[in-house]
Amino acid sequence: AQKVTQAQTEISVVEKEDVTLDCVYETRDTTYYLFWYKQPPSGELVFLIRRNSFDEQNEISGRYSWNFQKSTSSFNFTITASQVVDSAVYFCALSEATGRRALTFGSGTRLQVQP
Amino acid sequence: ETGVTQSPTHLIKTRGQQVTLRCSSQSGHNTVSWYQQALGQGPQFIFQYYREEENGRGNFPPRFSGLQFPNYSSELNVNALELDDSALYLCASSPGLGSGRGYTQYFGPGTRLTVL
Repeated sequence: AQKVTQAQTEISVVEKEDVTLDCVYETRDTTYYLFWYKQPPSGELVFLIRRNSFDEQNEISGRYSWNFQKSTSSFNFTITASQVVDSAVYFCALSEATGRRALTFGSGTRLQVQP
Repeated sequence: ETGVTQSPTHLIKTRGQQVTLRCSSQSGHNTVSWYQQALGQGPQFIFQYYREEENGRGNFPPRFSGLQFPNYSSELNVNALELDDSALYLCASSPGLGSGRGYTQYFGPGTRLTVL
């Protein structure tokens, strides 16, 4: 069975601080996909990134960066110089690489960026 | 390009009633998945439809059923509503499940169902 753990329930930072959201996963599959989604108060889940299990390169997109470490089963997300608009709930998710590819989500981390 | 749309936005029902939620997939996407998100929790997979057939189901009872139409839009039906069915129901579409490109799911805005 697959499992995703986001141990940080809520994080509060002041604007321009850097913040890292942790994600630890469990799976028996050798091939799988990892995702991060953002859920603003409106409720829609916004796709941020997909990473496959064969690609351990870190990725940077603007103020966002992701650190995938297969050895520790972690896929952490860092926001540099946070902004108020980053306030949202962030979900880490895992899917199989074959078959239905259903997403298994963590419980989410609520990020509040104070001005 | 139109994204995933869902209707209605909000719905209030009473226990024991039946409800139908609708989803239009993003253009070019042939796979639709439904998720239930209870307050303060992550979404839980209900089921997935690919080319009008159910393609996998999560841990939900048979009173949760669905359909996919030839245009790839989809419906989620819930019979005999219970208070615990109150949640945000999210629809997600993904491209080309059969082509190997169907890894990323794009979500709609959701339908918030309240059962009284």
